[in-house]
Amino acid sequence: EAGVAQSPRYKIIEKRQSVAFWCNPISGHATLYWYQQILGQGPKLLIQFQNNGVVDDSQLPKDRFSAERLKGVDSTLKIQPAKLEDSAVYLCASSFRGMGSDTQYFGPGTRLTVL
Amino acid sequence: GDSVTQMEGPVTLSEEACLTINCTYTATGYPSLFWYVQYPGEGLQLLLKATKADDKGSNKGFEATYRKETTSFHLEKGSVQVSDSAVYFCALSRGGADGLTFGKGTHLIIQP
Repeated sequence: EAGVAQSPRYKIIEKRQSVAFWCNPISGHATLYWYQQILGQGPKLLIQFQNNGVVDDSQLPKDRFSAERLKGVDSTLKIQPAKLEDSAVYLCASSFRGMGSDTQYFGPGTRLTVL
Repeated sequence: GDSVTQMEGPVTLSEEACLTINCTYTATGYPSLFWYVQYPGEGLQLLLKATKADDKGSNKGFEATYRKETTSFHLEKGSVQVSDSAVYFCALSRGGADGLTFGKGTHLIIQP
């Protein structure tokens, strides 16, 4: 079974530029998550989708971050404009139903460096 | 809000030593509890989980018991190996519209 795919793996941009990350979850998984992991910290949830609807985006900085999950499958996360403090690893995860007891499967992440 | 506190690292042990990584949580209701592991150069993967009080999760020789009375989920292993060197994250989920809430991670280093 293929795992969660993410691209690109690495990205370096200047501040105020825009960037987009892509995620393809495990086939059949209804729930998709984006997390931000700053160096030395645990991942922090940015947004959760159930199929193609947003369930929770309370921690997403909506003035600069946006995300969509068209057709309830793959998803993109965009940052525009980027700030220095956005330097982090962006993790995508998926789970079968989105219930609390479900295992979330993580992709390899995209490491973003903002200069 | 929900939070997870785990012991600071790095934790350095010799091979075959006993391991305990402490984890305590604050959450309303009855969350599910998880340990995730990140091996060098790899992504996060589930190590074990427990979904209700007194449940014990186990995998690869690691164990953790869901203790509601002490709001804890400590990770234990009787004899560690060099291959256990990794960063370990304790996490909880209350389900529904909640993703995982993670601790800061504990870097474990096992020396031969």
